[in-house]
Amino acid sequence: DQQVKQNSPSLSVQEGRISILNCDYTNSMFDYFLWYKKYPAEGPTFLISISSIKDKNEDGRFTVFLNKSAKHLSLHIVPSQPGDSAVYFCAARKQGGSEKLVFGKGMKLTVNP
Amino acid sequence: KAGVTQTPRYLIKTRGQQVTLSCSPISGHRSVSWYQQTPGQGLQFLFEYFSETQRNKGNFPGRFSGRQFSNSRSEMNVSTLELGDSALYLCASSEAGPGVSQYFGPGTRLLVL
Repeated sequence: DQQVKQNSPSLSVQEGRISILNCDYTNSMFDYFLWYKKYPAEGPTFLISISSIKDKNEDGRFTVFLNKSAKHLSLHIVPSQPGDSAVYFCAARKQGGSEKLVFGKGMKLTVNP
Repeated sequence: KAGVTQTPRYLIKTRGQQVTLSCSPISGHRSVSWYQQTPGQGLQFLFEYFSETQRNKGNFPGRFSGRQFSNSRSEMNVSTLELGDSALYLCASSEAGPGVSQYFGPGTRLLVL
């Protein structure tokens, strides 16, 4: 049972435009959400996170939005740059610092110059 | 501070063999988590060790096992390898748990023939 879903396997955008990556989850016990970015031959790196008590978190060009009622979150990258081309993973965690992270299958973002 | 290191980086085995992968966490990190990444399933949680104790376990068969040493270094072992075990195995470390501030290693690419 896929508790964290990234339904689109890939996205292609032009440099300078907005990239919107979507993620849905099914477990209402999740209270913390993270986005990771992964380049080939490297491990994932943490990008941005959001707690369930918020609906938006911003860090530079990256903004994550959380819609708890829809069990949906999205990552916005504005403006997109070619260096953003990578696989992006959405992850979720239940309350408690020792709880495991549940990852989506990932989405490949390609930003064209 | 050195990052998470994993050895070996690449490995080729044949069906029925066993394999041991190693992970050295960031100095001071006591939590080590292991993940399997495949194109079809994304990142799947294997298990997490904290202070030499397995604290969380994913839905993998008993052929997958792990351990953590007193210096926080961790190993995972896969016995009786199957073709479907071909994957990128990622290790991640954190100070207290996998929820936040989790740093990934570059992974071990395992190919089972």
